This record gives sequence, structure tokens and C-alpha cells, in this order.
Amino acid sequence: SQQGEEDPQALSIQEGENATMNCSYKTSINNLQWYRQNSGRGLVHLILIRSNEREKHSGRLRVTLDTSKKSSSLLITASRAADTASYFCATDPDGGTSYGKLTFGQGTILTVHP
Amino acid sequence: KAGVTQTPRYLIKTRGQQVTLSCSPISGHRSVSWYQQTPGQGLQFLFEYFSETQRNKGNFPGRFSGRQFSNSRSEMNVSTLELGDSALYLCASSFRVGQGYEQYFGPGTRLTVT
Repeated sequence: SQQGEEDPQALSIQEGENATMNCSYKTSINNLQWYRQNSGRGLVHLILIRSNEREKHSGRLRVTLDTSKKSSSLLITASRAADTASYFCATDPDGGTSYGKLTFGQGTILTVHP
Repeated sequence: KAGVTQTPRYLIKTRGQQVTLSCSPISGHRSVSWYQQTPGQGLQFLFEYFSETQRNKGNFPGRFSGRQFSNSRSEMNVSTLELGDSALYLCASSFRVGQGYEQYFGPGTRLTVT
């Protein structure tokens, strides 16, 4: 079963608008990562946020993490048609025995209309 | 640095056959993880290798196996293929971040079983 749940499942916006995706998870974690996937291709690593961080920025991306609520959000500002993709959050559970295993949510499908 | 490479990119096999997929991690990364992605089950962890040892395994039947070589390159093998094994197989190369891992994915191998 998937640890993470993304919300919404699908998001449709116009170019220039902001897109916000949310992720919830169940167990305590070491890190949370966000990935992008275009049309059944490989996953592109976007950003990693550690469990002791609350916010992180990378270009047009802003990620927040609330470990008390076990949730994270990914904000893409000034979206472009090229941002159209599926976005996944992935967590590695705390405890030191996960050894290279990430648990993924089902993803949010983002469509940006030109 | 070169990214994660996977070969072949596409593969068509018949039920009952076996298949071997290959993954070369990012130079210097010693951990390699494998995932299966299907529309119904999403991204599921298969196994992880570090220094030629399997350290973690997902909930897949014994038909799925893997190995890692001394240069960190990894292979996974699926024997007695079933139609349900049709999927995108993703390899990820990891390095430690705190107690967790940051993972970078290859482009995947699209396996179709007929």
C-alpha cells in the first residue's frame, strides 16, 4: 500500500497561474522528496526536504513540510505548459531500516494550458 | 556527472520467458534500488542493493531477483513472465542524506509481456 496520498488527483490550470499539490503520509520520516514524471518516462528529482526543515525553495518550486500533520505541499509558481506532468511525493520512513526504499503516493496529474 | 542509465529502454517478451534488465548508477553511488510502476498499483519497491548485497526487499514473488556487481552496476531478472509483469521498471541510484536517502532515477525500461 502507498504511504503517501496526493491531493488533488488532477489539477488543470492556465499558464502563469500557480499550482499547489499536497501530500500526506502516515509514519515518521527522515526526508520527503518530490518528483516529476512526464508521460510514463523516468522520474525527475525536484527537491528533497529533511524532516527538520519546514520550507525549501528551488527556482519556481516551494516545498513545505509539517511533520506534526504529516503533510507536505509543493507550489509551482508562474506555471508553464512544460510543467504538465505527474508529480509524486516520496518518503523514506524513519527507523534506519528502510535501506533505499522510498514509498510513493499515487501522484497528482498537472495540466497547464497555454 | 552522467545520470542513471538503464538498458534496454523497451522490451517485448512472451509469457513464460525470462528477462534481464540492467542499470548503471551515478558514479560514486553505491546504492541501487528497483521499482515497478503500473497504472493500477503505482510505484512499488522491488529491492535495494548496496556493495553487492541485497539489503531490502519489497513484497514481490521469488520470480523477481536482482544482483549488483563490484562496479555498482545492477541487474534485475524476472523469470517465467506473466502478463501482469508488464510495467515500467525504474532503477534509482542513491546517496545518504542524514538518516535517509536522496534518489535519482533512470529513464526506465518499458516491459510488455504478450
